[in-house]
Amino acid sequence: EVQLVQSGEEVKKAGESLKISCKVSGYPFNTYGIAWVRQMPGKGLEWMGIVYPGDSDIRYSPSFQGQVIISDDKSLDTAYLQWTSLKASDTAMYYCARHHYNRGLEFWGQGTLVTVSS
Amino acid sequence: QSALTQPPSASGSPGQSVTISCTGTRNDIGNSDFVSWYQKHPDKAPRLVIYEISERPSGVPDRFSGSKSGNTASLTVSGLQAEDEADYYCSSHAGNKNLVFGTGTKVTVL
Repeated sequence: EVQLVQSGEEVKKAGESLKISCKVSGYPFNTYGIAWVRQMPGKGLEWMGIVYPGDSDIRYSPSFQGQVIISDDKSLDTAYLQWTSLKASDTAMYYCARHHYNRGLEFWGQGTLVTVSS
Repeated sequence: QSALTQPPSASGSPGQSVTISCTGTRNDIGNSDFVSWYQKHPDKAPRLVIYEISERPSGVPDRFSGSKSGNTASLTVSGLQAEDEADYYCSSHAGNKNLVFGTGTKVTVL
């Protein structure tokens, strides 16, 4: 059974750093990309970027380039989303999802709620 | 890379059909066979309901169907049921291995 399990809720202050995780199981980690999607309170889904563990390729949406860092650890079957200096506007739910080129985002994590106070 | 355009809301009575449009450009929907649709209930993770324009993942009822014409994709939910009340988002390949989402449509079952 394919599962994506994300790390737990985070409450941080502006200026702090943060790294959230998405651990996958049920399939070979290298075979599909892992995407990150943001949903700010009351807003829609936003594509942030994707890591392809098979060739370590990482792509960012232009809106998030330079704002976050996406990475992976193949030894842990885990993808990460990282901030070096959080802003209050980073407050959102963040989802990871397995990306199949043809089938889209077919499996999703449960989401990680990040709350940043100013 | 701008978000794809969807109507903010759509509604129908139980048993009726509702169709949601998703308009992009020739750089995304117009140039891609990989348009997907996602259902999002409050406090739940999104769920894939359509991929490759019109294909349904296993477990998705055949009440859900998709199509595309030019730069616009559409999702139709036939035989509306109470559990279909949710937000729906389209998505398309947008070049450079990136995707783009639509602005989202809130479907209300009257």
